[in-house]
Amino acid sequence: GNSVTQMEGPVTLSEEAFLTINCTYTATGYPSLFWYVQYPGEGLQLLLKATKADDKGSNKGFEATYRKETTSFHLEKGSVQVSDSAVYFCALSADTGRRALTFGSGTRLQVQP
Amino acid sequence: KAGVTQTPRYLIKTRGQQVTLSCSPISGHRSVSWYQQTPGQGLQFLFEYFSETQRNKGNFPGRFSGRQFSNSRSEMNVSTLELGDSALYLCASSLGRDRGNTEAFFGQGTRLTVV
Repeated sequence: GNSVTQMEGPVTLSEEAFLTINCTYTATGYPSLFWYVQYPGEGLQLLLKATKADDKGSNKGFEATYRKETTSFHLEKGSVQVSDSAVYFCALSADTGRRALTFGSGTRLQVQP
Repeated sequence: KAGVTQTPRYLIKTRGQQVTLSCSPISGHRSVSWYQQTPGQGLQFLFEYFSETQRNKGNFPGRFSGRQFSNSRSEMNVSTLELGDSALYLCASSLGRDRGNTEAFFGQGTRLTVV
């Protein structure tokens, strides 16, 4: 079946540091890949997406590239801010049949001033 | 346009009771999916409704059920509540096309506590 593996958290960084959160997936075919962010007490917000190999999703300074050869979709940001502190979820949606989102376990990011 | 609206935001129920949660999708979205989020199991898919029909179902017991109305609003019901049903229940809406963009937009969730 489909699965998503994320690096364990929490990740603690100082403001303006470089961020990488690793995400790898297992799926048949060509799934769509997503990063969602969850702030305390809130639901999930779509951060970025990529629907085919080599696509780069980007939003609010965050980027992730769909790498089919390594089945990865790592999230990066060049300079994090305190306001980026949240839990980040990598997810996939299969391209055929069941299209429910399969989520990783989430990575908590804490940015210190 | 308005986002996904879930009501109520918080619920406290007693073991053995039943509960109904509501979700109003984004206007024009025909697919509504439900997810359960717990610290131990993370985010798990419950079911998806499209045009009033259940299209996909996750691995949850029959105590969890749902339905969708002609205006795409959806309800989720949990009967005979157990302590382990305490969770954040998230609803997501999408256009629901068979192919192409399956981008899902989430509501703020309903926090259910079973005591």
